[in-house]
Amino acid sequence: QVQVQESGPGLVKPSEILSLSCTVSGDSISRSYWAWIRQSPGKELEWIGYIYYGGRTTYNPSLKSRVTMSVDTSKNQFSLKVKSVTAADTAVYYCARLATYGWHFDYWGQGTLVSVSS
Amino acid sequence: QSALTQPRSVSGSPGHSVTVSCTGTNSDVGAYSYVSWYQHHPGKAPKLIIYDVTKRPSGVPDRFSGSKSGNTASLTISGLQADDEADYYCCSYAGSYTFGVFGTGTKVTVL
Repeated sequence: QVQVQESGPGLVKPSEILSLSCTVSGDSISRSYWAWIRQSPGKELEWIGYIYYGGRTTYNPSLKSRVTMSVDTSKNQFSLKVKSVTAADTAVYYCARLATYGWHFDYWGQGTLVSVSS
Repeated sequence: QSALTQPRSVSGSPGHSVTVSCTGTNSDVGAYSYVSWYQHHPGKAPKLIIYDVTKRPSGVPDRFSGSKSGNTASLTISGLQADDEADYYCCSYAGSYTFGVFGTGTKVTVL
């Protein structure tokens, strides 16, 4: 059974960098696409982007200028960085596996709340 | 890219059926057969229940079914059970620039 689990600081100051990691178990990170999704308070889910283990990334155009994803195959982890954060980046952040065929997320983490505040 | 439109809430009695709609455009729902649905109990990991409009992952009961007509996709839950009370989100592929767009979410209440 594939499991993914987010980790990282729950509070980030405005203008700083939000950094999260996602640990994968039950699957090799080298075999699939891995995604980040977030949900701001009172808003719908928003796809942030996905990464393949070789480093190929695809980002949501609305966030592309501020987002970086990377993979650490030795730890079976992938990570997310969002720079120059504002209060609008306050959200529950989820990591998930993007299915190889089609467009759906077949395994999700429980999510981690990140608040942007001074 | 705007979010797909879902009703804020639907409700039904145990054993009955409810249908959740998901309305998009001819650039997302209407253009591709890549609509998926997720069940989310607050505080837990969202769970994939329907993908590619009508397919169910292994382990998802056949009480859950999906369909699509034009720019609107639908999720039907038959034989409602107490544990079906959750938030439900649709998602559609929207092309090689936007990629994916989610719905606004629907709270299903079992009366």
